[in-house]
Amino acid sequence: GAVVSQHPSWVICKSGTSVKIECRSLDFQATTMFWYRQFPKQSLMLMATSNEGSKATYEQGVEKDKFLINHASLTLSTLTVTSAHPEDSSFYICSGHQTTEAFFGQGTRLTVV
Amino acid sequence: DAKTTQPPSMDCAEGRAANLPCNHSTISGNEYVYWYRQIHSQGPQYIIHGLKNNETNEMASLIITEDRKSSTLILPHATLRDTAVYYCIVWRGSEKLVFGKGTKLTVNP
Repeated sequence: GAVVSQHPSWVICKSGTSVKIECRSLDFQATTMFWYRQFPKQSLMLMATSNEGSKATYEQGVEKDKFLINHASLTLSTLTVTSAHPEDSSFYICSGHQTTEAFFGQGTRLTVV
Repeated sequence: DAKTTQPPSMDCAEGRAANLPCNHSTISGNEYVYWYRQIHSQGPQYIIHGLKNNETNEMASLIITEDRKSSTLILPHATLRDTAVYYCIVWRGSEKLVFGKGTKLTVNP
C-alpha cells in the first residue's frame, strides 16, 4: 500500500519553543491530509484537515494560531506547534487519503519540558 | 462522534481465532466498514474494509451482517504480535475518518 512518512518520530523541546512535524506522502499525491492528536490511553482525535494550497480546517476546540498547518505541495504537510507547553505533550499522527483508503504516518511523540 | 460501538477489551489465546465484534446500526448505504489497528506508539495500520459482502485478505476476514448493522473482524490464528487496539470505522472514503475508542485485544501465550 501507499506510504506516509512522518518526521521526527519523537522530539523533546523546552516550554515556549516551537516544533515542526513533517508528513510526506511518498508514492501518491494527497490533496488532503489530516492531523490527529492522541493522549495516553485515548483514541485518536482529529485536529485539522489540511488542504493543498489553501487554509486548513480546524476541529472545534483546536487553536489554529497554536497549531499551524501548511500544505504547500501534494506530498508534504507540516504541523507546527507554536509556543509549546507541557500540556501539548502528546502523540501526533498524520494521514493521507488515496481514493477509498487512508494511510497513516508513524506518529511523532512530542514531549514538552 | 464515532458511529460504531465496540467492546473495550478482549483476550485471545495465541494460535486461536480472535473474533472482534462491531455495531454500526446507523450506517448509511454508501458507507463502508473499515478496520484499522494500532500497535502501541505507532500509527494506525489498515487491515480490511467492505461494503456488504464478506471480505478476506492475508491479514483477516470481515463478516458483515445482511442488514449491515454489525460486523465481525476475524484474525484466524492470532499471534502475540496481533496485540493492539482495533478500530472499526464506518467511512465513505472521501471525508475525515472519525475514530471511536476501539477494542484492546490482548493475545496471551
